[in-house]
Amino acid sequence: TQLLEQSPQFLSIQEGENLTVYCNSSSVFSSLQWYRQEPGEGPVLLVTVVTGGEVKKLKRLTFQFGDARKDSSLHITAAQPGDTGLYLCAGQHAGNNRKLIWGLGTSLAVNP
Amino acid sequence: EAQVTQNPRYLITVTGKKLTVTCSQNMNHEYMSWYRQDPGLGLRQIYYSMNVEVTDKGDVPEGYKVSRKEKRNFPLILESPSPNQTSLYFCASSLSLVPRNEQFFGPGTRLTVL
Repeated sequence: TQLLEQSPQFLSIQEGENLTVYCNSSSVFSSLQWYRQEPGEGPVLLVTVVTGGEVKKLKRLTFQFGDARKDSSLHITAAQPGDTGLYLCAGQHAGNNRKLIWGLGTSLAVNP
Repeated sequence: EAQVTQNPRYLITVTGKKLTVTCSQNMNHEYMSWYRQDPGLGLRQIYYSMNVEVTDKGDVPEGYKVSRKEKRNFPLILESPSPNQTSLYFCASSLSLVPRNEQFFGPGTRLTVL
């Protein structure tokens, strides 16, 4: 059972477009992280959100944690080719502080 | 530079030939783990370690062994590799057990078992 569903699975857009990717669950998470993985490399942390309704911004990236802490979104404004990569969400399940649950990822391609 | 290193980066081997993938971190992190990444299955945790001499199974531990004799090193051992262990492997470390801590990943080891 995949506890964190990411959508879309694949996304191919033109440079300058905006996009949103989603990370959804029926379970409550005490924290949620977003990572970006580029080809041939390991994932790199972008942000951690811990409070329901929290919004964090990282340059052109905006991250939101749902009020009920069951979902999260990542919005990219004016995407650039350097944003290309696999975006992974990972959550710490409420009640289990030993385990990080991973989504399958959204593969983003930004074409020049 | 703070980093997690893995060796080798690429390995092609044959069924049954024991191999070890090394992992080392220079950040004095307590928590280390091994993942495998497969298309359609995502990142799955193999084993993790909360500190020296403390290891535990993750979601897919069958066919793997680990050890944590020193804080900085966490090798992954495949005693008798099989083709279904062909995968991309990542070692990761973080400051402590709490998953919300940032995990630092190594560059990955692409293993092919023929």
